[in-house]
Amino acid sequence: GAVVSQHPSRVICKSGTSVKIECRSLDFQATTMFWYRQFPKQSLMLMATSNEGSKATYEQGVEKDKFLINHASLTLSTLTVTSAHPEDSSFYICSARDGAKGGNTIYFGEGSWLTVV
Amino acid sequence: DAKTTQPNSMESNEEEPVHLPCNHSTISGTDYIHWYRQLPSQGPEYVIHGLTSNVNNRMASLAIAEDRKSSTLILHRATLRDAAVYYCILRVNFGNEKLTFGTGTRLTIIP
Repeated sequence: GAVVSQHPSRVICKSGTSVKIECRSLDFQATTMFWYRQFPKQSLMLMATSNEGSKATYEQGVEKDKFLINHASLTLSTLTVTSAHPEDSSFYICSARDGAKGGNTIYFGEGSWLTVV
Repeated sequence: DAKTTQPNSMESNEEEPVHLPCNHSTISGTDYIHWYRQLPSQGPEYVIHGLTSNVNNRMASLAIAEDRKSSTLILHRATLRDAAVYYCILRVNFGNEKLTFGTGTRLTIIP
C-alpha cells in the first residue's frame, strides 16, 4: 500500500484563489519531503525541498511567495498555490525518504491534479 | 548532478523480456544508480537500485557495467501493467539528496 499519501487527488479552483495540497508519510517520519510539478508529456520538475521545522529550499525559477510550503510535522508537508492562474494547472507530486529503511528509498505520493479555471 | 541518457521510447511484446538501457558516462564513485517508473497519472514508483554489483528483486533486475558507465534494467517477462515511463537516476547515498528526473524511456507493451 501507499506509504506517502497526497490529498486531494484532484482539485479544481477558480483563478485568483489559493489551493492547498497535503503530503503525508503514513508509516514513517520524514524530515525532508520534496515537491515536484509535472506538465503533460513532460518529466517531473523539482520545485522545492521541504524541511521539517525550517524554511523550504526552492529551486531556481520557482517563486517562493507563490508556492508556499509548510512542513510543520515529521509526517506532513503542505504546498499552497497562491493566487492560482490557469498556467499553474499541473500534476503536483510529493516524495519523502524513509531513513529507517537503509536511507536509500524515496517514496512518492500518488500525485494531485490541479486545474485552475 | 551527473547526467543519464535513455532512449525516448521502446516497445516490447507482452510476456517477453525487456532490456531498458541507461548511459551515465560521468558517474562518480559515490553515485548509486536508481530506477523509478511512472504509470499514467500516478507518482513515480521505486523499482531498483545498485552501486556496482548486479541486483535482483521481485520487480526487475539491474545489470551494471563493469566500468559503471552504463546500466540496464531488465524486466524478465513484461506484462501490460509494465507500460510506463522508466527513469534512470543517479543519486549519492547520503540522506536527503533530491532526485533529479531526466526524460526517461516510455515503454509500450504490445499485447
